[in-house]
Amino acid sequence: AQSVTQLDSQVPVFEEAPVELRCNYSSSVSVYLFWYVQYPNQGLQLLLKYLSGSTLVKGINGFEAEFNKSQTSFHLRKPSVHISDTAEYFCAVSVRMRGNQFYFGTGTSLTVIP
Amino acid sequence: DVKVTQSSRYLVKRTGEKVFLECVQDMDHENMFWYRQDPGLGLRLIYFSYDVKMKEKGDIPEGYSVSREKKERFSLILESASTNQTSMYLCASNNYEKLFFGSGTQLSVL
Repeated sequence: AQSVTQLDSQVPVFEEAPVELRCNYSSSVSVYLFWYVQYPNQGLQLLLKYLSGSTLVKGINGFEAEFNKSQTSFHLRKPSVHISDTAEYFCAVSVRMRGNQFYFGTGTSLTVIP
Repeated sequence: DVKVTQSSRYLVKRTGEKVFLECVQDMDHENMFWYRQDPGLGLRLIYFSYDVKMKEKGDIPEGYSVSREKKERFSLILESASTNQTSMYLCASNNYEKLFFGSGTQLSVL
């Protein structure tokens, strides 16, 4: 079975400071990895994904994430956050199988303080 | 761009009512999903379907059923709504590389 752990439920950070949102997963098979973002009162949208290849993945809005197979982690980073980055962030894994289920973490609420 | 459309943005129902949540996708995706989103619990999978008339239970199927009579449409059914089913319901479809979400239905059961 697959599971996703987001260790931080809430992360406050000052504007223009760097941020890291942590994500660890467990799986007995190879997985695809994703970060989704949900802005206030909006639906979920894909921030970035890792399917294969380079372990450093760049996404929208200046975010990036690094896949670390040995540590089974996929942490999300941004060197300088903006007020507009305030949102809920979800890490997810999927397994290429019938139905291709996606498993989500419980989410991290990022609040950028002016 | 892929569009996943959920029929209602807000819905208020009474305890014991039968509730239908409809979802339609326009990209011929085989896989469709129903999640519920609750604060502090993230997204939890209720049911998914990988083909017409095929369905599989997710992590929290109790109190729910689904119907997939056509490839583009996936319906979630609450046979007898209860207050603990008050939640945000998200429909999604995917093409193996990405999950596309609808805008969600906020269901309140009173």
